[in-house]
Amino acid sequence: EIVLTQSPGTLSLSPGERATLSCRGSQSVTSNYLAWYQQRPGQAPRLLIYGASTRATGIPDRFSGSGSGTDFTLTISRLEPEDFAVYYCQQYGRSASMYAFGQGTKLEIK
Amino acid sequence: EVQLLESGGGLVQPGGSLRLSCEASGFTFGNYAMNWVRQAAGKGLEWVSHIGGGSQIIDYADSVKGRFTVSRDDSKKTLYLQMSRLRAEDTAVYFCTKDAVAANRIYDAFDIWGQGTVVTVSS
Repeated sequence: EIVLTQSPGTLSLSPGERATLSCRGSQSVTSNYLAWYQQRPGQAPRLLIYGASTRATGIPDRFSGSGSGTDFTLTISRLEPEDFAVYYCQQYGRSASMYAFGQGTKLEIK
Repeated sequence: EVQLLESGGGLVQPGGSLRLSCEASGFTFGNYAMNWVRQAAGKGLEWVSHIGGGSQIIDYADSVKGRFTVSRDDSKKTLYLQMSRLRAEDTAVYFCTKDAVAANRIYDAFDIWGQGTVVTVSS
């Protein structure tokens, strides 16, 4: 069973800055089946990235995903006020045992 | 508009039962696998259950196996989660989610989430 570890736990930045969030797997992620979600307070999560690097429908291009194997990154090029939220990575794949979420990174305003 | 709307949450005593529903709209429900995901207050996300299109594939997290039953009625575009022998640690917001790709052979990412329904297990 894969374990996804996100870092840092909390990231404090200012609007306009660049954010880099990390997700590391205890084993290699099959076929780069890695997704990123954003969750604002009191809201449901929203899919940002799937397949490690493909933006979901309607997601601004300031969000980008990269990585392969065990190391993945979500980058937000220039932070907007609405980007301050909690971000989760998730592995998915060919069986239910592959479902796993990271513990989350909180992106807060500095 | 693609939408998922959960209902059925509430307060239940330990050992009790509850049935959650999730009504879908805006897409061909029967073509997509669906899931339940939960989130305890202040905590992260936990996948609970998966049901494929046609109900041919059903899976559960170990934490709920043998206590929870997922089902779907494609004619009513509705997903269900029957929860029994509830424990305090089942207290959470329960979200239903839609797989991103229709009739896919993988357990996919979740592109649509409902707003969630709150389940509280307490005496």
